[in-house]
Amino acid sequence: GAVVSQHPSRVICKSGTSVKIECRSLDFQATTMFWYRQFPKQSLMLMATSNEGSKATYEQGVEKDKFLINHASLTLSTLTVTSAHPEDSSFYICSASPSTYEQYFGPGTRLTVT
Amino acid sequence: AQSVTQPDIHITVSEGASLELRCNYSYGATPYLFWYVQSPGQGLQLLLKYFSGDTLVQGIKGFEAEFKRSQSSFNLRKPSVHWSDAAEYFCAVGVASGTYKYIFGTGTRLKVLA
Repeated sequence: GAVVSQHPSRVICKSGTSVKIECRSLDFQATTMFWYRQFPKQSLMLMATSNEGSKATYEQGVEKDKFLINHASLTLSTLTVTSAHPEDSSFYICSASPSTYEQYFGPGTRLTVT
Repeated sequence: AQSVTQPDIHITVSEGASLELRCNYSYGATPYLFWYVQSPGQGLQLLLKYFSGDTLVQGIKGFEAEFKRSQSSFNLRKPSVHWSDAAEYFCAVGVASGTYKYIFGTGTRLKVLA
């Protein structure tokens, strides 16, 4: 149980285009979902917290107009990287939370912007 | 400020040897503490967590961790390492922030020698 999927697992896009990453909780409902960014050989940095049906809360320094988050249902959240640039290349990880201090992580999405 | 420190970036141990991964946290309130393992292509997997009670916590895969409030530490241990334990290990603290959030340490990469 408690499986979280992410799609796609890898994506390559051209600079200036947008790319959408999906995060789904497959066998539970998640009132809260989190989006993280992980740089090579570094820790997970929380980008934003989203609650179903509400606007996402972004961490300081994260551009909310560049990283659009939608949490339309209790099992699906999406992260859209708009007008992507090479510096947006990274490993993006989502997690889904059915209750407080309980998170299940997706396998991550490797984004490469050329 | 809230933070998690993992002093060892890399650790190499021989198979069958004991292991201790260090984690120190900074948080003014009662901490909720976690250890996760990240293997390539897989999402972060929870090894164990501490919320309250017995300060020695048992987890999966033979891991345990001890919470020491006086030292602000939550070190992870395993008496005998297996080659399959080679991975990246992350310590995290759960903090109250709006909903809640996790703050991760920078991770320790474990290499196991045959």
